[in-house]
Amino acid sequence: AQSVTQPDIHITVSEGASLELRCNYSYGATPYLFWYVQSPGQGLQLLLKYFSGDTLVQGIKGFEAEFKRSQSSFNLRKPSVHWSDAAEYFCAVGPYSSASKIIFGSGTRLSIRP
Amino acid sequence: AAGVIQSPRHLIKEKRETATLKCYPIPRHDTVYWYQQGPGQDPQFLISFYEKMQSDKGSIPDRFSAQQFSDYHSELNMSSLELGDSALYFCASSLRLAGVTSTDTQYFGPGTRLTVL
Repeated sequence: AQSVTQPDIHITVSEGASLELRCNYSYGATPYLFWYVQSPGQGLQLLLKYFSGDTLVQGIKGFEAEFKRSQSSFNLRKPSVHWSDAAEYFCAVGPYSSASKIIFGSGTRLSIRP
Repeated sequence: AAGVIQSPRHLIKEKRETATLKCYPIPRHDTVYWYQQGPGQDPQFLISFYEKMQSDKGSIPDRFSAQQFSDYHSELNMSSLELGDSALYFCASSLRLAGVTSTDTQYFGPGTRLTVL
């Protein structure tokens, strides 16, 4: 069965510090992987996606993620966080076929320390 | 760039009432998806449509129904509302091109916050 695990419920980092959010997946085939960000009371914004090819994916807002098949991971990174990065981050896997669902992890809430 | 439009943005209903949520996909997108996000939860898939036909179905209650129209917009109809239906309802859209999997990227709307009293 497809699943996504985000082991960290809440992370706090200082502004300007580097960030890494963890994501592990379980998937029966080559996964399609996504990171979405949700600010409080807002919708889900796509940060980046991986379908195939280069395992290091660049996204918006200075984020990047690295697909590691051997570790079943797709961790999100940013070299220097800004206060505006405070939000909920969701890793997602899928769809298994066209026009079908994607499965979200439980999310990691990021707080920024001034 | 145009995004997914959802209306209304906020909706307050009483128990046992009905509600209709609307979703207008990104122009040229032919697939819509509905997700439900309870407080502090991750989004849960409800249902999806491609070219007006149901494509995938998740944990959608029998009290809910949805359809996609010829202009690709979609409506989620919810009847006999319960307190537990209070949630943020997201619509997402994508463009499906045969053999081009990268177009299956789902772009989400801002959501409709439904409160059932």
